[in-house]
Amino acid sequence: GIQVEQSPPDLILQEGANSTLRCNFSDSVNNLQWFHQNPWGQLINLFYIPSGTKQNGRLSATTVATERYSLLYISSSQTTDSGVYFCAVMNTGNQFYFGTGTSLTVIP
Amino acid sequence: EAGVTQSPTHLIKTRGQQATLRCSPISGHTSVYWYQQALGLGLQFLLWYDEGEERNRGNFPPRFSGRQFPNYSSELNVNALELEDSALYLCASSLKPYYGYTFGSGTRLTVV
Repeated sequence: GIQVEQSPPDLILQEGANSTLRCNFSDSVNNLQWFHQNPWGQLINLFYIPSGTKQNGRLSATTVATERYSLLYISSSQTTDSGVYFCAVMNTGNQFYFGTGTSLTVIP
Repeated sequence: EAGVTQSPTHLIKTRGQQATLRCSPISGHTSVYWYQQALGLGLQFLLWYDEGEERNRGNFPPRFSGRQFPNYSSELNVNALELEDSALYLCASSLKPYYGYTFGSGTRLTVV
C-alpha cells in the first residue's frame, strides 16, 4: 500500500494564527482528499485535490503530485478549527490510505 | 441534498453477538465504502461496494461482511463480536470510482 505521512502530529495555535499542514505520500495517486474530523468523529471533506491548488474561505490546499506532497493552509484560525486533519490518498483498488493525522487545538 | 446517512449512531453489543450497521449513500452515488477507526489504529479500509458487487476488501477476517442493495444502500455485518471490534465505523460514498468521497457521521460500536 501507499505510505502517507502527515506533519506535524500535533499543533497548538492561538486564535487568529496561520498554519500549514503537510502530507507526503510514497507513490503516484489519482485521488487525494483532506478531511477534518470533528470531536464527534465525523469526517468532513475539505478538499478533493489530486493536483493543483484550491481555496475555500480561510482554507486552501496545494498538491504537487510530481513531488508527492500536499499542503493544507489554515489562515486566521478559529476555535472551531480544532480537531484532527487527515490526508487520504488513493491509487488503484479505490482504497483510501490515510495518514495518521494532525491534531490541531486552537486556543482563544 | 441529503448526505451519507448511517444508522444506528451508537450500538452496544455483547461479545459473541452479531452487529448490523447500515449506510445510505448520497442519491446518485453507486460506490459505498466502509472504514473502521479503532482507538490508536487510525482509519482502516474494510470494504468497497459498487453496483451491488464487492470490489475490494481490506485486511479483515471473514466475520466482517456486507452487501449492497439495488438502491445502493449498504449493510455491514460483524459476526462473533470481539472486544477489539469496538470502534467507530464510517461509511462513505462516491459518484464513481476515484472521485471525491463523502463520509457519514459513523456508527460507534461498543462490544462489552
